Amino acid sequence: GNSVTQMEGPVTLSEEAFLTINCTYTATGYPSLFWYVQYPGEGLQLLLKATKADDKGSNKGFEATYRKETTSFHLEKGSVQVSDSAVYFCALSPPGTASKLTFGTGTRLQVTL
Amino acid sequence: EAGVTQFPSHSVIEKGQTVTLRCDPISGHDNLYWYRRVMGKEIKFLLHFVKESKQDESGMPNNRFLAERTGGTYSTLKVQPAELEDSGVYFCASTRQGLGTGELFFGEGSRLTVL
Repeated sequence: GNSVTQMEGPVTLSEEAFLTINCTYTATGYPSLFWYVQYPGEGLQLLLKATKADDKGSNKGFEATYRKETTSFHLEKGSVQVSDSAVYFCALSPPGTASKLTFGTGTRLQVTL
Repeated sequence: EAGVTQFPSHSVIEKGQTVTLRCDPISGHDNLYWYRRVMGKEIKFLLHFVKESKQDESGMPNNRFLAERTGGTYSTLKVQPAELEDSGVYFCASTRQGLGTGELFFGEGSRLTVL
């Protein structure tokens, strides 16, 4: 079946540090890949997505590239801010199944001054 | 535009009791989903409504869980009787028909604690 594996947290970084959160997946065919973010006291929000191999999703300074050869979709940001502190979820949607998402376990990011 | 709202935000009940969670999707969103996150684990799909019809309920864990969406507006998820392993955060999400795959709008979640 489909699955998503992301790095264990929490991840603690100083402001302006470089961020990488690893995500790998298992799925048949070419799923769509997503990063969702949950800020404290809020619901999950779509951060970025990629729908085919080699696509790069980007938003708010975050980027992730759909790598079919390594079945990965790692999230990166060059310079994190305190306001980026949140829980980040990697997810996939199999082709042809609308919006039925398979999520990873989530990675908590804490950014300090 | 109001977002997806869920009620209650937190419910503490004893094993064997009944709890009903409510979700109000964004107005005009035909698709409504329920997901659940058990402590520290991944968020798992429970079911999907299109308007008032259950499109996919393959993720419902057992017959103690009952979801309804009468009239195709708000939805309720009832757990009866609740067990300890039902504790977790229940998320509701909605999307308009035809919106890009995976672009779900989530509520803040309802945290359920079963003692």
